[in-house]
Amino acid sequence: TQLLEQSPQFLSIQEGENLTVYCNSSSVFSSLQWYRQEPGEGPVLLVTVVTGGEVKKLKRLTFQFGDARKDSSLHITAAQPGDTGLYLCAGVDGGSQGNLIFGKGTKLSVKP
Amino acid sequence: DSGVTQTPKHLITATGQRVTLRCSPRSGDLSVYWYQQSLDQGLQFLIQYYNGEERAKGNILERFSAQQFPDLHSELNLSSLELGDSALYFCASSVEGAYTEAFFGQGTRLTVV
Repeated sequence: TQLLEQSPQFLSIQEGENLTVYCNSSSVFSSLQWYRQEPGEGPVLLVTVVTGGEVKKLKRLTFQFGDARKDSSLHITAAQPGDTGLYLCAGVDGGSQGNLIFGKGTKLSVKP
Repeated sequence: DSGVTQTPKHLITATGQRVTLRCSPRSGDLSVYWYQQSLDQGLQFLIQYYNGEERAKGNILERFSAQQFPDLHSELNLSSLELGDSALYFCASSVEGAYTEAFFGQGTRLTVV
């Protein structure tokens, strides 16, 4: 089974700061997704990256897929309290058809 | 609204009991996944069904079972419940493929007392 490791596990910053969180694996993924989860709610899909080296932007969020398709990063510019949540990366397990596996997530807290 | 419906939203039951959690996937999605989320374990994959058949199995206990019906809704059955089974249980659905993107329901919060 492929594993996804996310870092840091926790991140607490002030409003206006920039941050980057990481998702790493020793395995190649055909695609990676990033989700955000708020307390008591289900994860919500933010973006899917497919091509090695791909960069996608979603307002102040920038997602990058590593050239070798083994890792990904999420960069947030000028963080706001509304960005607070659990950020999860996920990928399709190549050893099983369609099984979507998740990293443990980065818990982000943005203080006003 | 993700289009995935889970019921009930909250469930409180005693140890040793059995409960059934229900999930209706998004219209057109053939895959259903069940996940357990506890504070210290993150999202743990339990089981996946595709068009009525079991497709993949994760860390699912023998006391737990699931099925997907012809109308594609799914049920997760948890029996001989223990205190440690208290968690959020999420259902997700997707269109199958290499770019699988999951759409999650709001979850069922199970509390075993």
